[in-house]
Amino acid sequence: KAGVTQTPRYLIKTRGQQVTLSCSPISGHRSVSWYQQTPGQGLQFLFEYFSETQRNKGNFPGRFSGRQFSNSRSEMNVSTLELGDSALYLCASSLTTGRTEAFFGQGTRLTVV
Amino acid sequence: AQRVTQPEKLLSVFKGAPVELKCNYSYSGSPELFWYVQYSRQRLQLLLRHISRESIKGFTADLNKGETSFHLKKPFAQEEDSAMYYCALYKDSNYQLIWGAGTKLIIKP
Repeated sequence: KAGVTQTPRYLIKTRGQQVTLSCSPISGHRSVSWYQQTPGQGLQFLFEYFSETQRNKGNFPGRFSGRQFSNSRSEMNVSTLELGDSALYLCASSLTTGRTEAFFGQGTRLTVV
Repeated sequence: AQRVTQPEKLLSVFKGAPVELKCNYSYSGSPELFWYVQYSRQRLQLLLRHISRESIKGFTADLNKGETSFHLKKPFAQEEDSAMYYCALYKDSNYQLIWGAGTKLIIKP
């Protein structure tokens, strides 16, 4: 079966702009989590969605938001981009929760200039 | 606060030598721990989880609640084990995986 798909793979944006990243989970998976990965900070949890409901949000400013659709696809949005938002954004899907295996996408590399 | 600590950013061993990647955690409840691995140019993927008590690719990890550790071990390292390894703790109360900073394992020929 198809794995987790993230689009786009690479993105270059200017400070102040906003960006939307997309994640298509494995078919049948209802939980989608988002992470920011940077060399200095490792994987930082952004948020988790299950059946269109955000169940948890990490310690990120309100500029970071997300949503999940009825087909479990998820998007995350970052508004008013800052240079420090440059990172690899990873999406992971699970059947129900992170207690079961999390399957990761290849990530979206965001560069803010 | 819940935390996962991987004290070594980089671990380099020779092929055939034993490997131990350290992971310590702090968690007030009953922990559920995982090891994830990322090979070069590949996705992050599950290696093993403590509840399964299984050996994957020769790796094992035992949960030691007394020492709050979940170290990953392999008796004889192979070159294909070179990768980034992450220890993670599942926090049931808010559906969150808490990650260590990762250890880069390099196996020298």
